[in-house]
Amino acid sequence: NAGVTQTPKFRILKIGQSMTLQCAQDMNHNYMYWYRQDPGMGLKLIYYSVGAGITDKGEVPNGYNVSRSTTEDFPLRLELAAPSQTSVYFCASRSGTGGHEQFFGPGTRLTVL
Amino acid sequence: GEDVEQSLFLSVREGDSSVINCTYTDSSSTYLYWYKQEPGAGLQLLTYIFSNMDMKQDQRLTVLLNKKDKHLSLRIADTQTGDSAIYFCAESPMDSSYKLIFGSGTRLLVRP
Repeated sequence: NAGVTQTPKFRILKIGQSMTLQCAQDMNHNYMYWYRQDPGMGLKLIYYSVGAGITDKGEVPNGYNVSRSTTEDFPLRLELAAPSQTSVYFCASRSGTGGHEQFFGPGTRLTVL
Repeated sequence: GEDVEQSLFLSVREGDSSVINCTYTDSSSTYLYWYKQEPGAGLQLLTYIFSNMDMKQDQRLTVLLNKKDKHLSLRIADTQTGDSAIYFCAESPMDSSYKLIFGSGTRLLVRP
């Protein structure tokens, strides 16, 4: 199993540009999550999904959108990038049946200039 | 509201024990977790404790939970240079057990 994969690893955007951060998991997990990690801070939940077709907002959803058309994929969309969205983004997944560990991807480092 | 707090930095000598502390506010938390983040990597689960336990031991790791004081600690015995990383405490609230609330992380530096 590859686990949780994220692309790209790094990206620099100009203010106002758009991009999609990709996340995929091959563990057949129901739950998927997007977090952002700002320097010296813990992880803040942006959006999460409890299964294909179901998504909900976390603590800091403004400026982001998600979709979950399949169990495997959970892309995060930034429509109009702002400097405040400079951060490291982590995707995670968790089994919905019994297991409670969240498995994390390696992260995407995004800089908005 | 839910909040998890940790000290920012800890430095120890190789071979000594490290103790990383965490306080949380949600007394209904079901599970409490310790995650490790190595440079440039995602978070990896180290260990966890269910809220009805006081202590859990797993090889060099000992987790202590004081529910009355809402205090969680992680002790690493015989700390090695490979233990240098950021350690995050996290809680899983009872009313939304599929979510995690993270502390800001403690950076552990192990000196040779």
